[in-house]
Amino acid sequence: QKEVEQDPGPLSVPEGAIVSLNCTYSNSAFQYFMWYRQYSRKGPELLMYTYSSGNKEDGRFTAQVDKSSKYISLFIRDSQPSDSATYLCAMFLGGYSSASKIIFGSGTRLSIRP
Amino acid sequence: DGGITQSPKYLFRKEGQNVTLSCEQNLNHDAMYWYRQDPGQGLRLIYYSQIVNDFQKGDIAEGYSVSREKKESFPLTVTSAQKNPTAFYLCASSFDTNTGELFFGEGSRLTVL
Repeated sequence: QKEVEQDPGPLSVPEGAIVSLNCTYSNSAFQYFMWYRQYSRKGPELLMYTYSSGNKEDGRFTAQVDKSSKYISLFIRDSQPSDSATYLCAMFLGGYSSASKIIFGSGTRLSIRP
Repeated sequence: DGGITQSPKYLFRKEGQNVTLSCEQNLNHDAMYWYRQDPGQGLRLIYYSQIVNDFQKGDIAEGYSVSREKKESFPLTVTSAQKNPTAFYLCASSFDTNTGELFFGEGSRLTVL
C-alpha cells in the first residue's frame, strides 16, 4: 500500500463549478500537509500549506485536513480554465531535516471546460 | 527575479553516456533537492543537500551523483549505471530542510535513445 493515495483523474468540470480534490494517507504521524499545482511541462508550485487538522482558506482555495480519517482535501470555488493543471498533495512529519521525507501523491489532472 | 533555473529543458542521450543536469538558484536557500517524476508516480527524491559540501542520498540515488560546491548550484549527473533514466527531473530548494515549502525549477526532460 502506498503511503499516500491520490486519484489520478483526469477530472473534467465546467467553468464555475466547485472542485474537490482528495488524498488519503496511511501514516498517522504526518503533521504538515501541502498542495502543489503543476502546469503542463512546468515545475510544481506551492498552493496551500497546513499544519495538523482543520481548514485553511486562501481566496478561491480551501485546504481541509481530517487527521482522524487520514484524509485531506482541496476545494476550488468558482473554477476557472486557468485552474487546469495537475494537483499534487504532499505531506511530511515535521521536525529536523524532515523535508527530505516529504511524500508526494501521484497527482490529479484537472481540466476546467470554458 | 529570484528563482531556480534548470538546464537544459530537454536532453537526449544515447545509452551508456553520462549526462549532467544543471540547477542554479538565487533565492539564498540552504537546502536543495533533486526529484524524479514519472507518469502515475509521485515525486521521488534522488539526492538532497542541506548545506554546501554536504549531500545525502534520497530514496532512489542509485545511478545518480551530485555535488554541492557552491550554495547556488546543485548539478545532477545521470550515469550510465542508471537503468531507466528517461524521466522528468525536478530541482527544488527550500530555506532549510525543516519546511515543506519547496521552490521548484521548470524541470529537465531526459530521454534515452
